[in-house]
Amino acid sequence: AQTVTQSQPEMSVQEAETVTLSCTYDTSESDYYLFWYKQPPSRQMILVIRQEAYKQQNATENRFSVNFQKAAKSFSLKISDSQLGDAAMYFCAYRSPEEAGANNLFFGTGTRLTVIP
Amino acid sequence: EAGVVQSPRYKIIEKKQPVAFWCNPISGHNTLYWYRQNLGQGPELLIRYENEEAVDDSQLPKDRFSAERLKGVDSTLKIQPAELGDSAVYLCASSLDTRTEQYFGPGTRLTVT
Repeated sequence: AQTVTQSQPEMSVQEAETVTLSCTYDTSESDYYLFWYKQPPSRQMILVIRQEAYKQQNATENRFSVNFQKAAKSFSLKISDSQLGDAAMYFCAYRSPEEAGANNLFFGTGTRLTVIP
Repeated sequence: EAGVVQSPRYKIIEKKQPVAFWCNPISGHNTLYWYRQNLGQGPELLIRYENEEAVDDSQLPKDRFSAERLKGVDSTLKIQPAELGDSAVYLCASSLDTRTEQYFGPGTRLTVT
């Protein structure tokens, strides 16, 4: 199984500032998908952003963007203009391509983000 | 559109007791997943259904865990008997098919005492 590593158990950011969450992964596949999920105290996992490995362009979604380094197997999440509502656990996840026949997600251990007013 | 519904939200039981969790996926979603999330960890897949067929249950502890998805809609995950180590959040997710985004429910937090 693929492994996903999040080396930052906790991070904090001042409101309106920018923060970057790190994620690395291990795979022998050349095509795959990467995701960042947000899990607030309500426990519901919410998709923040996704990246297809075959795309060189980094994905962006409003204040959220990624830095995808395929050769380094790195997939970091940048949150700009941080808001109090961004406080949550953030999980990085990996998924094999459709051709592999499975849609299983492999998650990292998460990073708890605190936003300081 | 209603999201994935799970019940109960919380459950506290004594060890050796049985427990069941229920999941209603988003309407029209053929693929359903059960994940277990231990404290301080990311979710781990227990079982995946495509319609009513369990196509990946390799991580399901079959001695005490069972699941079913009758008629390919709602699903139930059961533990019998529960052990202290089963304390976790059990998440259900669904997707249109195996290639599309998974939508998660709010989970059931199980505490075994």
